[in-house]
Amino acid sequence: EDKVVQSPLSLVVHEGDTVTLNCSYEVTNFRSLLWYKQEKKAPTFLFMLTSSGIEKKSGRLSSILDKKELFSILNITATQTGDSAVYLCAVENNAGNMLTFGGGTRLMVKP
Amino acid sequence: DGGITQSPKYLFRKEGQNVTLSCEQNLNHDAMYWYRQDPGQGLRLIYYSQIVNDFQKGDIAEGYSVSREKKESFPLTVTSAQKNPTAFYLCASSGIGTGGNEQFFGPGTRLTVL
Repeated sequence: EDKVVQSPLSLVVHEGDTVTLNCSYEVTNFRSLLWYKQEKKAPTFLFMLTSSGIEKKSGRLSSILDKKELFSILNITATQTGDSAVYLCAVENNAGNMLTFGGGTRLMVKP
Repeated sequence: DGGITQSPKYLFRKEGQNVTLSCEQNLNHDAMYWYRQDPGQGLRLIYYSQIVNDFQKGDIAEGYSVSREKKESFPLTVTSAQKNPTAFYLCASSGIGTGGNEQFFGPGTRLTVL
């Protein structure tokens, strides 16, 4: 059974801090790892990672995958209150295009 | 505008009633998915479909049913057999390819059983 574990469960920081969110996984026939941001409703896509060691970057957010150690991290630098959300990690396997989600990390950024 | 729509936004159900949640997409995606999200938790897969007239059970299919008569539509019925249906329901769609497939999500339906 595919499994995704995220840590920490929740995190409270102040504006300007840098945070690192963790995602470890066990999956048969790995295809990709995805990060989503969920504020109030639908998760919105952040990154898809398929290859080890290649950093994906978008503004203050970046992510990297380690396929040997089976984990990924999501970094957010110079955090803003608008970064407050639940961050979800999911892995996709080759069988059926399904995603297995972790439980999420709830980030709160205080002014 | 391309996207996924879900309706209704909020739904209240009495115990013993079946209810159907709507999901429509105009992204021309082959695959569609239904997830359930409980407070403070991640998403759990209920059903998914990769092609019209075919669908498979996910991790928590008991008490739910789906149909896929059209590529654009994947309605979910929450039956009276679902013991604890109060949750946030998300529909998603994606293409099907070998290089990794991003799933796009609808805005969700919040179901409350009274």
